[in-house]
Amino acid sequence: AQKITQTQPGMFVQEKEAVTLDCTYDTSDPSYGLFWYKQPSSGEMIFLIYQGSYDQQNATEGRYSLNFQKARKSANLVISASQLGDSAMYFCAMREARDDKIIFGKGTRLHILP
Amino acid sequence: KAGVTQTPRYLIKTRGQQVTLSCSPISGHRSVSWYQQTPGQGLQFLFEYFSETQRNKGNFPGRFSGRQFSNSRSEMNVSTLELGDSALYLCASSLYPQRELHNEQFFGPGTRLTVL
Repeated sequence: AQKITQTQPGMFVQEKEAVTLDCTYDTSDPSYGLFWYKQPSSGEMIFLIYQGSYDQQNATEGRYSLNFQKARKSANLVISASQLGDSAMYFCAMREARDDKIIFGKGTRLHILP
Repeated sequence: KAGVTQTPRYLIKTRGQQVTLSCSPISGHRSVSWYQQTPGQGLQFLFEYFSETQRNKGNFPGRFSGRQFSNSRSEMNVSTLELGDSALYLCASSLYPQRELHNEQFFGPGTRLTVL
């Protein structure tokens, strides 16, 4: 079974609009961490934001915020005021406390339109 | 501070050959992890090295191997290449081992391997 599901293979958004990238996860471990990474066409993965399963508040990093709904096992990335440079692949990932490995979703390709 | 570097950036090999990829982590980072990225399978974990020891391994055949040197630089080797090994190979470094939950990994630009 998929541990990380990103249901949107591609999205087109107008510049300056907010965008939400969906991510759902599956785990029975009460202790886990969730990550979002951005991968531009150059190939390098860039860390964006982290949310721990015990964190009380949603994580925020500049224009990025994570809409964490624990009961729904959902960790959506919200990008406010999108910019042309936000066009890239976005990956949601999870690390469980009982397992050393980080698992990535299939990704969402985001296109920002001028 | 210099980022993670990977060499070479591009590589073309033929079936049956072997290849060695190199990764230099950020200075001070002792954990190096390797990933294979393909359009079909996405990002898959290969293995992690910490302080010259392999800590964890993904579900890949024994043709895939790696090592880490005392300066934390890591190499990954693939023997008897197959067409399906064509992929982007990403290396990531971090201060702590992957078992630390909030352990940010810094990725290199990757090596794009094409097997003909």
